[in-house]
Amino acid sequence: KAGVTQTPRYLIKTRGQQVTLSCSPISGHRSVSWYQQTPGQGLQFLFEYFSETQRNKGNFPGRFSGRQFSNSRSEMNVSTLELGDSALYLCASTTRGAGETQYFGPGTRLLVL
Amino acid sequence: GQQVMQIPQYQHVQEGEDFTTYCNSSTTLSNIQWYKQRPGGHPVFLIQLVKSGEVKKQKRLTFQFGEAKKNSSLHITATQTTDVGTYFCAGPSSGGSYIPTFGRGTSLIVHP
Repeated sequence: KAGVTQTPRYLIKTRGQQVTLSCSPISGHRSVSWYQQTPGQGLQFLFEYFSETQRNKGNFPGRFSGRQFSNSRSEMNVSTLELGDSALYLCASTTRGAGETQYFGPGTRLLVL
Repeated sequence: GQQVMQIPQYQHVQEGEDFTTYCNSSTTLSNIQWYKQRPGGHPVFLIQLVKSGEVKKQKRLTFQFGEAKKNSSLHITATQTTDVGTYFCAGPSSGGSYIPTFGRGTSLIVHP
């Protein structure tokens, strides 16, 4: 099976812009979770989508949002970018939920200038 | 909220030496997962422990889950340069909604 794919792999934006990241899970996986990884805060859970519904949400501001499509592909959006949003954004898929083994994609490295 | 602490943050070893990282949760965990992230890479699942006192081995890696299910350890025997990376533990949050909490990780540096 193909692994989790994420696009784009690298992105440079300026403060105030918005960005949309995409994640395609492993075939047959219905749950997609998003994480933000920074040197200072480590791996932090953003949200989880299952069957097109947000099922769990971490402690991030409303500027961070996401959605999932009927084919389980997911997107996350960050509006009004801040310098502190510079990070590696990882998505992970599982068959049923975030409590299972997480299969991570390669990530999107976002730099906000 | 639940906290998962990992120590040490960094560990330098000479190739061939052993390495251990420890993971401690503020709450009892139903299970614990371990991941490895190579430099520039993404986390890759290593193992999941579920039972109290469980010990699992993968070649030179030994994973333990504490009796109280609040702590865990990963021990690598005779490290190799291929072991370089950051090792994370992760456990489910308490209180119903399943949000995995990751430790900050232990970065292993192996000197040849």
